[in-house]
Amino acid sequence: AQSVAQPEDQVNVAEGNPLTVKCTYSVSGNPYLFWYVQYPNRGLQFLLKYITGDNLVKGSYGFEAEFNKSQTSFHLKKPSALVSDSALYFCAVRDITGYALNFGKGTSLLVTP
Amino acid sequence: GAVVSQHPSWVICKSGTSVKIECRSLDFQATTMFWYRQFPKQSLMLMATSNEGSKATYEQGVEKDKFLINHASLTLSTLTVTSAHPEDSSFYICSTGGGTEAFFGQGTRLTVV
Repeated sequence: AQSVAQPEDQVNVAEGNPLTVKCTYSVSGNPYLFWYVQYPNRGLQFLLKYITGDNLVKGSYGFEAEFNKSQTSFHLKKPSALVSDSALYFCAVRDITGYALNFGKGTSLLVTP
Repeated sequence: GAVVSQHPSWVICKSGTSVKIECRSLDFQATTMFWYRQFPKQSLMLMATSNEGSKATYEQGVEKDKFLINHASLTLSTLTVTSAHPEDSSFYICSTGGGTEAFFGQGTRLTVV
């Protein structure tokens, strides 16, 4: 089955510093990978996706992610964190049987002033 | 991107009653929609796939008689939690399917007392 893993429950970053939220994947075939952000009691907001093409994917709100096939990783990055980036981040992979998504457990990002 | 509207955003109900959650696609026709459940500080777990004009497909371990899904039109899918119990308290989110990107509703916080 297609799956992703987020090894960190929480990431703490000071405002202005670069941030990385980690994600590794396990798939058969070519992966369709996604990052979503969730604010408290809200639905998920799409950040970016990798389907094919350039390994560096740029997304919303200044976020980007690098697809690394040899390391089976798809880490989310931002050069300069904002306090407003504090939220729950989910990595996801499209299920092989259809268009549903299999999510990682989520990583809570806390950006401190 | 596509707009998915989910209603209500929160609901409190008494144990034993039923609750209906609506998920509408506002600017496109959705032949497939997905229903996820999220427990506090946990990831989203796919419950079922809603198919317009046919029966829903449920994931293993999800009681189809308890979580009734109806997808009567191309713009509306509903999830009804029947005879709700406190353990059904959770955050329920719908999403679209198809293409290379999923769009999520705002989510519904269900509390059963």
